Amino acid sequence: AQSVTQLDSQVPVFEEAPVELRCNYSSSVSVYLFWYVQYPNQGLQLLLKYLSGSTLVESINGFEAEFNKSQTSFHLRKPSVHISDTAEYFCAVSDQTNDYKLSFGAGTTVTVRA
Amino acid sequence: NAGVTQTPKFRILKIGQSMTLQCTQDMNHNYMYWYRQDPGMGLKLIYYSVGAGITDKGEVPNGYNVSRSTTEDFPLRLELAAPSQTSVYFCASSQRTSGRMTDTQYFGPGTRLTVL
Repeated sequence: AQSVTQLDSQVPVFEEAPVELRCNYSSSVSVYLFWYVQYPNQGLQLLLKYLSGSTLVESINGFEAEFNKSQTSFHLRKPSVHISDTAEYFCAVSDQTNDYKLSFGAGTTVTVRA
Repeated sequence: NAGVTQTPKFRILKIGQSMTLQCTQDMNHNYMYWYRQDPGMGLKLIYYSVGAGITDKGEVPNGYNVSRSTTEDFPLRLELAAPSQTSVYFCASSQRTSGRMTDTQYFGPGTRLTVL
């Protein structure tokens, strides 16, 4: 079975500073990888996903994540954050061993301060 | 197009009471899911459905029941509420097609349940 580890539970960051959220997964087969974002008092929304092809994937609001198969990682980065990026971020993985259902990490809370 | 809607938004139950959490999607998705979210634990899958009339257990099904009589609706039933069921519950839906083994899940806004 697959699993996901998000290495940081809380990440405080100043506005316009860069941020990196770390995600490692374990799986014995090919995986699909996702980052979801949850703004305060809302449901989760897909931020970006890796299915195949280029290992660097980008979102429309400036986030990017890189699939690194050798290190089994899918870290999320943004070069300059805004106050509006304050949210909880979840890494998720799916593979054929679980009928492609999502397994979520515990989440990373990003708090952006002015 | 409302997406995934959930009712109620908040509920307080006493131990032993029962209730149904409602979930409706208007995207004609075939797959629907129920998750619970506990602090520091991420989301855990309770039940899911691959289409009307078909449901299956997820990772943490004990204490819950579901049904899927229509494509749109996927209610979650708690029969004998316990304090361990205090959580935030999310419903999600997705469209999975043959040959495409993954899909984007769309989440509702959640139901915050407290059992006292």
